[in-house]
This record gives sequence, C-alpha cells and structure tokens, in this order.
Amino acid sequence: DTAVSQTPKYLVTQMGNDKSIKCEQNLGHDTMYWYKQDSKKFLKIMFSYNNKELIINETVPNRFSPKSPDKAHLNLHINSLELGDSAVYFCASSQGFGTGELFFGEGSRLTVL
Amino acid sequence: KQEVTQIPAALSVPEGENLVLNCSFTDSAIYNLQWFRQDPGKGLTSLLLIQSSQREQTSGRLNASLDKSSGRSTLYIAASQPGDSATYLCAVRPSSGSRLTFGEGTQLTVNP
Repeated sequence: DTAVSQTPKYLVTQMGNDKSIKCEQNLGHDTMYWYKQDSKKFLKIMFSYNNKELIINETVPNRFSPKSPDKAHLNLHINSLELGDSAVYFCASSQGFGTGELFFGEGSRLTVL
Repeated sequence: KQEVTQIPAALSVPEGENLVLNCSFTDSAIYNLQWFRQDPGKGLTSLLLIQSSQREQTSGRLNASLDKSSGRSTLYIAASQPGDSATYLCAVRPSSGSRLTFGEGTQLTVNP
C-alpha cells in the first residue's frame, strides 16, 4: 500500500496551460505539504495544510493554488504555466503540525515547453 | 534564517567501507532533524528522525548523531553496499514553526 501517492507522475504541457496534481495519503496524518525540487535538487516548501487549514504559504506566485478537500487529500492547481515552473513537485504528510516525521510521495515531474 | 549544509556534495566509496555523511546547521534552536534518502527519479524515504533531546538514533546499519550545540549531525553507514547508492538529505525543523530546511544533499555511490 502506497502511503503518499501523487498523480500524475509525469506531466508535459505547453506554456499558458492550467494543470493540477493530486495527492492522497492513507497514513491518517493531519498535516500535508507541497514541496518543489528544482533542477539543482534543492527542496523548498510551498504550502502546508493542517486539518484542511492552510498554515504555510511561502512566497509562491498566486498562480499556484492548493486545495484540501479533506485531511487525506491535498491537490495543487497551477494556472498559466511558465517555463520556470518546470520542476519536480513532492507531496508529503506528517502527524502533528511541526513535529512529526515526514513521509513523501514519489513526486510529479512537470515539464513546461 | 536557518541554513543547512551537507558535505561532501558527492562521495564514491568501495563496497564494504564504513562512511560518514555530514550535516551542519546555523541555528541550534531546532525541534528535530530528519535524514532521508532519495533514489534517482523517486521521492524521499525517511531514514531516521532525531528529536532535539536525543543524541543519536539507530536503524540497522545506519546511525545518526546530533550535536545541537555545535550545529552538527552525522549519518554513519556501516558496511556500505551498492544498494546504498542514493542522495542523502538532512532536514532541520525549527523549535518554533514548522518549516523544514533541507540541505542540498550528498550523492553517494558505492562501487561493487
């Protein structure tokens, strides 16, 4: 059973399009995150939700909008995609905001042409 | 602002060797520190989580130590195997707030 699953794993799209990445965790955790890993492999947090409430919202263009329909799901919608959005996006979850061990999904590689 | 540095950036060793990966952080006010491994094209797998009150954690051939006062953590891998080849990342969680700060990782290659 996959603990944190993301779809799609690969996404290739044109500039200007809108796309979504979905994430689900079956660990019963109350906190979920989106991270971005750039071409230099550096990981940076984008958003964090605790019990469906937005807790962390880093300096991310407002073209990126997270949505958490329930504690087990955190989706990422990106509008008007730009070349610089190309990266690997990782979903993660933990139990306890700010305290628990982090578990990551396998990542969604987004390529904007 | 917390900064996390991992040295070396890359390491290549023969199979069977014991090795140490280093992680240093600038702000010692941490809640915990977590070590991950990342295989190419894959997500991060949690290896060890050390709380700020702990000095070390062990899992199999892995041992992680934490020295908060000096801002350092080490990951010791005993009897390395080719399957250990991956990028190893450390991440620090501050004592206030929840933003993990990641290091840039050490890319380990264990040669058969």
